[in-house]
Amino acid sequence: GQQVMQIPQYQHVQEGEDFTTYCNSSTTLSNIQWYKQRPGGHPVFLIQLVKSGEVKKQKRLTFQFGEAKKNSSLHITATQTTDVGTYFCAVYFGNEKLTFGTGTRLTIIP
Amino acid sequence: DARVTQTPRDKVTEMGQEVTMRCQPILGHNTVFWYRQTMKQGLELLAYFRNRAPLDDSGMPKDRFSAEMPDATLATLKIQPSEPRDSAVYFCASARTGTYEQYFGPGTRLTVT
Repeated sequence: GQQVMQIPQYQHVQEGEDFTTYCNSSTTLSNIQWYKQRPGGHPVFLIQLVKSGEVKKQKRLTFQFGEAKKNSSLHITATQTTDVGTYFCAVYFGNEKLTFGTGTRLTIIP
Repeated sequence: DARVTQTPRDKVTEMGQEVTMRCQPILGHNTVFWYRQTMKQGLELLAYFRNRAPLDDSGMPKDRFSAEMPDATLATLKIQPSEPRDSAVYFCASARTGTYEQYFGPGTRLTVT
């Protein structure tokens, strides 16, 4: 089936360093969502992108949708311990079924 | 602050036993999803409903899993008989038709021994 590839699988950063996770698809996407799941928690919706080249910011988080709408990234500036968790991209492929990427697990070294 | 609720939060059972998980979607949300999360497979969609009608359950093992919505405030996921490979966290999520944001419940952590 259709899927999105997410990299890296794991990322360990020093507190204060930046972090980026990427989502890639072989097909053009109509939308992409990002979720965050804290350890032991549940996925929480962060944002949805739908336009080519779209860039949205939420405080230290910057989300981008590629010009070709085949990739997306989430960038966190100056990570904090509260950023710990797994970040998932997710895509609707033409219906209401949300397909999740494999996730990037972020750990912060204080 | 509206939330999806799920019960039980944790369930340990022996192989062969029936397991029932319950979910109360956010009031006014008419689309309900069941997901399963494991380390190996990640987040998988099992089934979803709109206005209580099942729309897709292709992600669910049909022989042992069943999902229903007896009313708009309750969704259930049953496993009978349960097997050790069913051990996972099961999430319910709800959404309002026309919006794509899904709200997840806290999950039920199932352990089958």
